Amino acid sequence: KAGVTQTPRYLIKTRGQQVTLSCSPISGHRSVSWYQQTPGQGLQFLFEYFSETQRNKGNFPGRFSGRQFSNSRSEMNVSTLELGDSALYLCASSPRGKDTEAFFGQGTRLTVV
Amino acid sequence: GQSLEQPSEVTAVEGAIVQINCTYQTSGFYGLSWYQQHDGGAPTFLSYNALDGLEETGRFSSFLSRSDSYGYLLLQELQMKDSASYFCAVGNSWGKLQFGAGTQVVVTP
Repeated sequence: KAGVTQTPRYLIKTRGQQVTLSCSPISGHRSVSWYQQTPGQGLQFLFEYFSETQRNKGNFPGRFSGRQFSNSRSEMNVSTLELGDSALYLCASSPRGKDTEAFFGQGTRLTVV
Repeated sequence: GQSLEQPSEVTAVEGAIVQINCTYQTSGFYGLSWYQQHDGGAPTFLSYNALDGLEETGRFSSFLSRSDSYGYLLLQELQMKDSASYFCAVGNSWGKLQFGAGTQVVVTP
């Protein structure tokens, strides 16, 4: 079956702009989590959605938001972009969110200039 | 809150054994996972421990001690293709999976 799909793969934005990233989970997976990855920082947890509800949230400013649709696809939005938001944004899906294994997409590489 | 500690880098030669330790602090602990990530790639699942003890999957083994909030990943018979970053991750009962900063494993000939 198809894996986790993230679009776009690469994005260049200017400071102050906003951006929307998309994640299509594996069919049947209802939990989608988002992570920010920067060199040396590992994967920083942004938020987790399950059945269209945000269940968990990490320590990021309110400029970072997300949502999940009824088909489990998820989007995350970053408003008023800052240079420090340049990172690889990864999403992961799993059937219930507290499963043995999470499946990651290839990520969206965001560069803010 | 949640926190995880793991070494930043480990270097070893082909054929050697490497142990990556992970200590954690969390509430509602559900399990300890390990993921591998090659440069430019997505993290991929390696192993999972919910109960104390050792889990073996081929050349890789993972151990958990819940009372010590400690686990490790053991890589045996190291191969060049094992050069990658390895992350421990703690899951809680509410579906949150939190990752450590990662350990860069460098395998030399």
